[in-house]
Amino acid sequence: DIVMTQSPDSLAVSLGERATISCKSSQSVLYNSNNKNYLAWYQQKPGQPPKLLIYWASTRESGVPDRFSGSGSGTYFTLTINSLQAADVAIYYCQQYSATPWTFGQGTKVEIK
Amino acid sequence: EVHLLQTGGGLGRPGGSLRLSCAASGFTFRTYVMAWVRQAPGKGLEWVAVIGGNGDGAQYADSVKGRFTISRDNSRNTLYLQMDILRVDDTAIYYCALVAGMGYFDHWGHGARVTVSS
Repeated sequence: DIVMTQSPDSLAVSLGERATISCKSSQSVLYNSNNKNYLAWYQQKPGQPPKLLIYWASTRESGVPDRFSGSGSGTYFTLTINSLQAADVAIYYCQQYSATPWTFGQGTKVEIK
Repeated sequence: EVHLLQTGGGLGRPGGSLRLSCAASGFTFRTYVMAWVRQAPGKGLEWVAVIGGNGDGAQYADSVKGRFTISRDNSRNTLYLQMDILRVDDTAIYYCALVAGMGYFDHWGHGARVTVSS
């Protein structure tokens, strides 16, 4: 199984500042045949289902604010939230879909400092 | 607009059974891969099972293989998860999800709580 490890487990960021979350996979999720990274990011607020933010490592889902961006390739990925808003307080998960079992990172809790 | 309405869940006994349903609307159900994902209390997300649009290609997490069965009725636009031989560690919120691309989840149900306890 591909193990996804996020860091940090939690972080507190001031309003308007940048939040950066890392995600490492135990093996590459890059398919050379199509040059795509099979990596997604989700946001989950308390009492709600997860919400898709980013897929293919860097493609923003429709309707997601452009302060959210994803980057990285192979085994190392980053989710960046620019100009953090109060509405961004949530737990964020990465997920690999390059091979079943599809696996998630343990989550990173983002709070306001 | 995509809508996934979940029913079922509740309290189950160890060794017992429960069935979850997920009624889909707003998209051509039969053409989409569907999945179940669960979240134990205070924990992260765990993929449970996936099924192809025709009901083929079912795959399961090792933790539920041989005990859970994913199925679908395309005439009713409904996804199911039959959970047998329940264990205490099956306690979780279970989400149905629409699978996009090659395996990310772009729409989620609201979740159904399953508690397994004697």
